[in-house]
This record gives sequence, C-alpha cells and structure tokens, in this order.
Amino acid sequence: EVQLVESGGGLVQPGGSLRLSCAASGFSFSRYWMSWVRQAPGKGLEWVANIKEDGSEKNSVDSVKDRFTISRDNAKNSLYLQMNSLRVEDTAVYYCVRVGRWGNYRYWPDYWGQGILVIVSS
Amino acid sequence: IQLTQSPSSLSASVGDRVTIACRASQGISNFLAWYQQKPGKAPNLLIYAASTLESGVPSRFSGSGSGTDFTLTISSLQPEDFATYYCQHLNSYPLTFGGGTKVEIK
Repeated sequence: EVQLVESGGGLVQPGGSLRLSCAASGFSFSRYWMSWVRQAPGKGLEWVANIKEDGSEKNSVDSVKDRFTISRDNAKNSLYLQMNSLRVEDTAVYYCVRVGRWGNYRYWPDYWGQGILVIVSS
Repeated sequence: IQLTQSPSSLSASVGDRVTIACRASQGISNFLAWYQQKPGKAPNLLIYAASTLESGVPSRFSGSGSGTDFTLTISSLQPEDFATYYCQHLNSYPLTFGGGTKVEIK
C-alpha cells in the first residue's frame, strides 16, 4: 500500500525557516517524480514544486523560488521541502504527492499524503 | 496558464446529472486532470489526460475536452459525491489548479 506521511510542520514566525519531510513507503520511491502541493485555509490548491526521480531536475512556482528548496534522499525514501524566509501567505496545509500514473506521455499525480499544517504568524 | 472553473459552487440533488467546466487561458492539449476533495481530506485523482478514468473511480464520473475547454460530468450524483472538485493542467510550468467547484446538497 502506498503511504506518504508528512512531518515537520508547525508554527513559525515570519522570516523563519522550516523543513518539511515526507516518508514514502509501499512503492519504489526512487522511480517516481514527487511534488509538494499546498492549500491555504479555506482556499484552493496550489502546486509548489516537483523533483525528478534522481533529483536532477526541479521546478517550482515563482512565489517560492529562491525561498523554498525541494530535495529527496532515495536511500531514505524521503522527500523534503526546505522553506526559508517564510511569509504569512505561506500558511497552508502542505501535501506530499507521488507523480506516478502514466498516461498521454505524462506522469500524473496519483497518491497524496494526509497533509501537514504550516502556520506563519507572529 | 490560468484555469477558470465554473460554476464556483452548485446545489444538486441525488440522481442529478452534474457538469463542471474548466477553461484554460491557452491551449493545453489534453494535459488536464480532475480531483475530488472532501473536507479535511487530501484530494483524490479522478480523471487524467482529460478523459482517462483513474482505477477504482466509479464510472459515473467522466471527463472530456481538449485544447482550452474541458468538462467533468457526474452522470447520477450520489451522496458520497458531495465535495469540491479541482482541475489541474500539466502542460507547462507552473502546474496550476482551477479555483474549485463545490458541489452541495440541494
């Protein structure tokens, strides 16, 4: 069974840092692209970043570029999101997502973790 | 690329046919997915590549469209279908989502 379990969230002051982790199990982690998607309270979904199977390619939304870094450790079956210079508007539930369903020459997001809440507030 | 969903909310009864639209600001071929999200839960993949039903998803869900206009249809609404639905494109970065459509009980 595919499982994605996020950790590392919590309350942080504006300008602070936080590192989210996602522990993956039930599949060959090193064979899949992975993503982070977030959802501000009461709002819609926002794609944050993704990373290739071997970590050689990374992409992110402009609003987090130069502040957030996605990375992975395939030996530990883990995905990370290092978040620096946090802003109030980064407050959200952050989801770890496997990008594993193949169709029409693309891999599609298919499994999501339960999410972890990050609150940026003074 | 912006995705505009309509309507933003709707009220429907069990057994109704429901249609949700997603319009892209430029052509995205068929690189579109649909998700269902229930309160307090993570989204679930329903449809990918615009019209391919994800394994385990009931056949009352269907997707269609290509280019800029897409549709998610629920042929006969069931009690467990009351939720919020999102489209997302995978055509180019950033991989944006639509604003969501909340389906409520009439």
